[in-house]
Amino acid sequence: EVHLVESGGGLVQPGRSLRLSCAASGFTFDDYAMHWVRQAPGKGLEWVAGISWNSGTIGYADSVKGRFTISRDNAKNSLYLQMNSLRTEDTAFYYCAKASPDSTGFYYYFDYWGQGTLVTVSS
Amino acid sequence: DIQMTQSPSSLSASVGDRVTITCRASQSIARYLNWYQQKPGKAPKVLIYAADNLQSGVPSRFSGSGSGTDFTLTISSLQPEDFATYYCQQTYRFPRYTFGQGTNLEIK
Repeated sequence: EVHLVESGGGLVQPGRSLRLSCAASGFTFDDYAMHWVRQAPGKGLEWVAGISWNSGTIGYADSVKGRFTISRDNAKNSLYLQMNSLRTEDTAFYYCAKASPDSTGFYYYFDYWGQGTLVTVSS
Repeated sequence: DIQMTQSPSSLSASVGDRVTITCRASQSIARYLNWYQQKPGKAPKVLIYAADNLQSGVPSRFSGSGSGTDFTLTISSLQPEDFATYYCQQTYRFPRYTFGQGTNLEIK
């Protein structure tokens, strides 16, 4: 059974840093691209960052570019999000999500999500 | 980035109603469009992928259509468990997979 478990959230002051982790199990981690998605309390989903299976392709939302860094360690079946220069508007639940292809291999969707970890940026 | 715009933002309907939610992309995305359902306190769940493919285990009252820039999610006969928030997502250009702003489906 696939499990994605996020950790590392908490209360942090503006301008400080935090590192989120996502522990994956139940599938061959290094076969899949992974993503971070966030959701501010009471708001919609916002894609944050994505990374290919071999870390060769990485992308960020404009709202976090230059401040956040996504990475993965395939040997540890883990995904990370290093968040620097945090702002109050970064307050949200952060989900890691696994991206799977359909049977054609052309179309991708997020088939598994973690339970989320809450990051609160406040002084 | 490709912008995704859903309408309406909120919708009130009754059990048994037929409901349609639309999603428009800021540029053509072919059929690279997914639909998710999210209930309070839960992670999203994929309903439809590649515009019109029903995810395994999802009831057949859910259907998707469209291509290019305009897409729809239809629920043919609303059930009590369908009251939730629905999001579209484009997966046209890896890895920048943006979401629509969501449609909150409420009980009338």
